[in-house]
Amino acid sequence: AQTVTQSQPEMSVQEAETVTLSCTYDTSESDYYLFWYKQPPSRQMILVIRQEAYKQQNATENRFSVNFQKAAKSFSLKISDSQLGDAAMYFCAYQDQGKIIFGKGTRLHILP
Amino acid sequence: NAGVTQTPKFQVLKTGQSMTLQCAQDMNHEYMSWYRQDPGMGLRLIHYSVGAGITDQGEVPNGYNVSRSTTEDFPLRLLSAAPSQTSVYFCASRQRTSGKFRNEQFFGPGTRLTVL
Repeated sequence: AQTVTQSQPEMSVQEAETVTLSCTYDTSESDYYLFWYKQPPSRQMILVIRQEAYKQQNATENRFSVNFQKAAKSFSLKISDSQLGDAAMYFCAYQDQGKIIFGKGTRLHILP
Repeated sequence: NAGVTQTPKFQVLKTGQSMTLQCAQDMNHEYMSWYRQDPGMGLRLIHYSVGAGITDQGEVPNGYNVSRSTTEDFPLRLLSAAPSQTSVYFCASRQRTSGKFRNEQFFGPGTRLTVL
């Protein structure tokens, strides 16, 4: 069965600095998708960024980028120029076929 | 479009009671899923469906039933509620894209369930 592991339950970063959230996963599939979701206190789930496994180029969305290492099954999220609004729970997720599996999450604190 | 809607938003049950959490989407999405979110556990997949009439178990299916008689609706049934089922429940849907399961998953606002 596929698993997603986020080894950092909590992290803190100074405003305007850069932070990297880690994620590893386990699968025997070759075709799949990876995501990072953000969940603010409102509980709403917000898609931050996605990566197709067949693409070697790392995905980028404004201040958010990923480091996708397929052989190592690693998918980290880098947030540049951290802002107070980035404070939230961040979930790494793996998708193949019909289902999406989530990691346990990393709570990110932004220090002013 | 209303997106993904869930009812109720809050619910308190006594042990042994049954109830159904409702989920509906108006985006004609083929895929729908139910998750539960507990502190420190992230979102865990309960059941999912890839189309009307087709459902499958996720990571934590015990104690829950689902059915998918229409594309729009995907209710989650608790037959005999237990305190361990106290959680926040999210329904989600997404569209299948011709052979590539890449589309964004849309989430409902969640239902907070407490079982006493």
